[in-house]
Amino acid sequence: DTAVSQTPKYLVTQMGNDKSIKCEQNLGHDTMYWYKQDSKKFLKIMFSYNNKELIINETVPNRFSPKSPDKAHLNLHINSLELGDSAVYFCASSHLQGGGANVLTFGAGSRLTVL
Amino acid sequence: AQSVTQLGSHVSVSEGALVLLRCNYSSSVPPYLFWYVQYPNQGLQLLLKYTTGATLVKGINGFEAEFKKSETSFHLTKPSAHMSDAAEYFCAVSEGRDDKIIFGKGTRLHILP
Repeated sequence: DTAVSQTPKYLVTQMGNDKSIKCEQNLGHDTMYWYKQDSKKFLKIMFSYNNKELIINETVPNRFSPKSPDKAHLNLHINSLELGDSAVYFCASSHLQGGGANVLTFGAGSRLTVL
Repeated sequence: AQSVTQLGSHVSVSEGALVLLRCNYSSSVPPYLFWYVQYPNQGLQLLLKYTTGATLVKGINGFEAEFKKSETSFHLTKPSAHMSDAAEYFCAVSEGRDDKIIFGKGTRLHILP
């Protein structure tokens, strides 16, 4: 039973299209994140939600819109896709209220290729 | 703002040899420090973390790291490399339990037979 699951695993699409990536966690965590990993493996945080409330919103084009319908889900919608959006997008979750360091549990990633 | 520098984007060691992956951090407050590992086509997994207390931290798969405040370092070591250790390793820092985690650019570890 996968702790953090993302769909789809692979996504190939044309420039200008709109696409979504879904993420679900069954760990009971209260915080979820989206990270972008580029072709050089550089990992950068995009957004985080705590109990459905946006708490981190890095400098990301407003073509990217996260949505958290509940604590267990965080989806990423991307409008008007560009070539530079090609990357692997990782969803992660953590339990901020549990005390101690903020340890992330990652999904397996969604590889987006924009042609 | 905190930051992480990993020295060497690629490190190669022979099977059975010592693994040393270097990480230096910058933080305005006592940091939380992490090492994550990423195997091909997978997400990141936590190897170990430092919060407070003992500066030598042991993690999974025989890895350990030592927090050295004077050197602002958190290098990752393993006494004897296995072929299965080949992966991408990320050092990360945060300045608080509810603060965002900043990752280094990663070090690809190659194990030579």
